[in-house]
Amino acid sequence: EDQVTQSPEALRLQEGESSSLNCSYTVSGLRGLFWYRQDPGKGPEFLFTLYSAGEEKEKERLKATLTKKESFLHITAPKPEDSATYLCAVQAAQAGTALIFGKGTTLSVSS
Amino acid sequence: NAGVMQNPRHLVRRRGQEARLRCSPMKGHSHVYWYRQLPEEGLKFMVYLQKENIIDESGMPKERFSAEFPKEGPSILRIQQVVRGDSAAYFCASSPSGRHEQYFGPGTRLTVT
Repeated sequence: EDQVTQSPEALRLQEGESSSLNCSYTVSGLRGLFWYRQDPGKGPEFLFTLYSAGEEKEKERLKATLTKKESFLHITAPKPEDSATYLCAVQAAQAGTALIFGKGTTLSVSS
Repeated sequence: NAGVMQNPRHLVRRRGQEARLRCSPMKGHSHVYWYRQLPEEGLKFMVYLQKENIIDESGMPKERFSAEFPKEGPSILRIQQVVRGDSAAYFCASSPSGRHEQYFGPGTRLTVT
């Protein structure tokens, strides 16, 4: 069964304290792995797509990496405005275009 | 460039009533997806549509739920005879042809009393 597990469930950081979020996946044929950011009461905001192991994408303080079994979202010198829930999703070859989401990591950054 | 639009943003229905949720995809996007987010759970895929066609409804409950994306107008997710377990946030997403990433709307929060 295709599955996505994110850890930790919640993460508290001080401003400037870098860290990483983990997304482990089990899928029969990975078509793509996606990272989204979701603020309370809003829809997920697209961040990155990764397609193959070894691929990396960067946007401001965020960097996403991909291996054959997991993805990491690295947050460098976070700011309070980075506080949100970060969602990981996979698109499996046999599941068509549906995204399979993890439950997310809720990040809180305090100043 | 307007994003994915959903309305209403909040909807309250009594048990047994019908709920109709609307979604207008981003300009130029011809693929529409519906997802449901229950409290303390992740987003779950429901249905994938293109204009006038249901492509994949494998995540849609067999009864009471239906979806359409007509030639003209928004996509509609319809829930008949709502029950309290239908209370959730319903998100619509769209994508352009040839691309895999999906762009989400702000969601409709359905509350069944």
